[in-house]
Amino acid sequence: TQLLEQSPQFLSIQEGENLTVYCNSSSVFSSLQWYRQEPGEGPVLLVTVVTGGEVKKLKRLTFQFGDARKDSSLHITAAQPGDTGLYLCAGAGGNEKLTFGTGTRLTIIP
Amino acid sequence: EPEVTQTPSHQVTQMGQEVILRCVPISNHLYFYWYRQILGQKVEFLVSFYNNEISEKSEIFDDQFSVERPDGSNFTLKIRSTKLEDSAMYFCASSRYLWTGDNEQFFGPGTRLTVL
Repeated sequence: TQLLEQSPQFLSIQEGENLTVYCNSSSVFSSLQWYRQEPGEGPVLLVTVVTGGEVKKLKRLTFQFGDARKDSSLHITAAQPGDTGLYLCAGAGGNEKLTFGTGTRLTIIP
Repeated sequence: EPEVTQTPSHQVTQMGQEVILRCVPISNHLYFYWYRQILGQKVEFLVSFYNNEISEKSEIFDDQFSVERPDGSNFTLKIRSTKLEDSAMYFCASSRYLWTGDNEQFFGPGTRLTVL
């Protein structure tokens, strides 16, 4: 069974600070997606990383896929209140289903 | 921008009743999925569907569940006899290609199912 653990589970920081959240597994994934989910809504895709060591940037968000394709990180620079939300990682293991992580609930304090 | 839509947004039913959750995937997508999320828990895969048949299903997707693509646009999830533990958010997703690492699954807004 493939499992994805995200850390921290909760993170509360001041506006303007930097932060990193992690997504770890003992399994290898063919690709990994990061989603953001608002309460009562569906996950919204932010980025997909495919190649080991790959880095993708989305404005102030930087996503990295581990060299061994077992882990990933999301770094936010100069966090803003609009970044508040639940961040989910989800891995694809070569078949069709996504395995979702446990989520990191991020709160940015103005 | 194309998006996945789901109806209803909220469904309340009595235990033992049948429910049908509806989804309209993105029009040029070929692969369709159902996931569920019990309150406070992870999003869990239920089933994937391609070329008018189930291609993969989880252990959650037992004989009480079925999926169908009755026409060229809708994709439905039926629960024949609902149980209290079926209460959850149900998300439909679609993707253009088989998940080979460079494709993406797009999710609908979800249907909140409450079984009383």
